Amino acid sequence: AIQLTQSPSSLSASEGDRVTITCRASQGISSALAWYQQKPGKAPKLLIFDASSLQSGVPSRFSGSGSGTDFTLTISSLQPEDFATYYCQQAKTFPWTFGQGTKVEIK
Amino acid sequence: QVQLVESGGGVVQPGRSLRLSCAASGFTFTSYGMQWVRQAPGKGLEWVAVISHDGRVQYYADSVKGRFTISRDNSKNTLNLQMNSLSAEDTAVYFCAKEAVVRVSTTLDYWGRGSLVTVSS
Repeated sequence: AIQLTQSPSSLSASEGDRVTITCRASQGISSALAWYQQKPGKAPKLLIFDASSLQSGVPSRFSGSGSGTDFTLTISSLQPEDFATYYCQQAKTFPWTFGQGTKVEIK
Repeated sequence: QVQLVESGGGVVQPGRSLRLSCAASGFTFTSYGMQWVRQAPGKGLEWVAVISHDGRVQYYADSVKGRFTISRDNSKNTLNLQMNSLSAEDTAVYFCAKEAVVRVSTTLDYWGRGSLVTVSS
């Protein structure tokens, strides 16, 4: 199975900060990568698909980049509602896999 | 609007079985693949299983292969997950999710709220 490694596992940031989360795949997955946001007790929410395409209704401060094995999720200006856990997920081959998550906390 | 509502969770003893269901509405159920994803308490997301739009193709995570069966009833817009030989490691919130075929790959664009399965004696 393809392994996804996210870094960092957690980070503390302030409102207005630029935040970057990385996801590295154990083998090439082209652009078959999605990013999800999850808040406590809630279902995951799709933010980015195909590595860089913004899901409808998601604020433009979220962006994704990368292809092959290295991917990035960027939040250009962190807002209070962005404090959550973020997961990457590959859809290149079954079994699909998720990264271990990155928890974004308030500094 | 798209709605996915899971049901069937609860407390079950190790070695026993449980069947989860997911009622879908607000989209043409027969046109989309569906998946199950789970999350153990305080842990990350784990992909479980997928079924094609017509029910003909299924894939499973190694951790559940041979014990879990994903199925669907397109006449009732319902997705199912039959879970047998349950163990404590299967304790989790189980989410059903709808696939969306996008430009390069497939993604999960709508998720249910989840159903908690607790395996305990």
